[in-house]
Amino acid sequence: QKEVEQDPGPLSVPEGAIVSLNCTYSNSAFQYFMWYRQYSRKGPELLMYTYSSGNKEDGRFTAQVDKSSKYISLFIRDSQPSDSATYLCAMSSTSGTYKYIFGTGTRLKVLA
Amino acid sequence: GAGVSQSPSNKVTEKGKDVELRCDPISGHTALYWYRQSLGQGLEFLIYFQGNSAPDKSGLPSDRFSAERTGGSVSTLTIQRTQQEDSAVYLCASSPRPGFGGQETQYFGPGTRLLVL
Repeated sequence: QKEVEQDPGPLSVPEGAIVSLNCTYSNSAFQYFMWYRQYSRKGPELLMYTYSSGNKEDGRFTAQVDKSSKYISLFIRDSQPSDSATYLCAMSSTSGTYKYIFGTGTRLKVLA
Repeated sequence: GAGVSQSPSNKVTEKGKDVELRCDPISGHTALYWYRQSLGQGLEFLIYFQGNSAPDKSGLPSDRFSAERTGGSVSTLTIQRTQQEDSAVYLCASSPRPGFGGQETQYFGPGTRLLVL
């Protein structure tokens, strides 16, 4: 079993929809949770970063962490065609080194 | 300012040949990471540098893989005697200093797409 599980999609939604992207994980030592967006043939770019449990909002994006359920989510409001990309969750613990453990990514397509 | 740059952007090689992949981190970033992204797989950690030393090499898949960093800046990932299973996108990331998130978040380059025939 992978440490981080993420549905690969693809997920297709109409423009303006609310999108929910999720990851589950098994390592209770994870404390830092990131969401990256990756356009085709580009490197991942950081969208959101959260520490421990709770919510964080940035514009149309909201990240949620539920450590008790080992479940994290990214919500995109008023989705736009420009949001079409692969969304990767990443996480790290505070022990050991600083490597990130990534999900496989969810491919999102927002239809105009 | 300039982001992380990687070269070449694409590399096609024959099985058994050696390849070198280069990463130029963001200026002033002391931490540098290499990851590999294969089709249908998430990013797989390979190696982490702090300055010129590599405290964590645990992700290197075999002794055919090696990496170095010089002058606390440019890093080179070398794959010797390439195999077809080495075909992947090799991504480099840097952060201002080693850490777990926030100010230490990792910023990625565009990657090198390696195809081994």
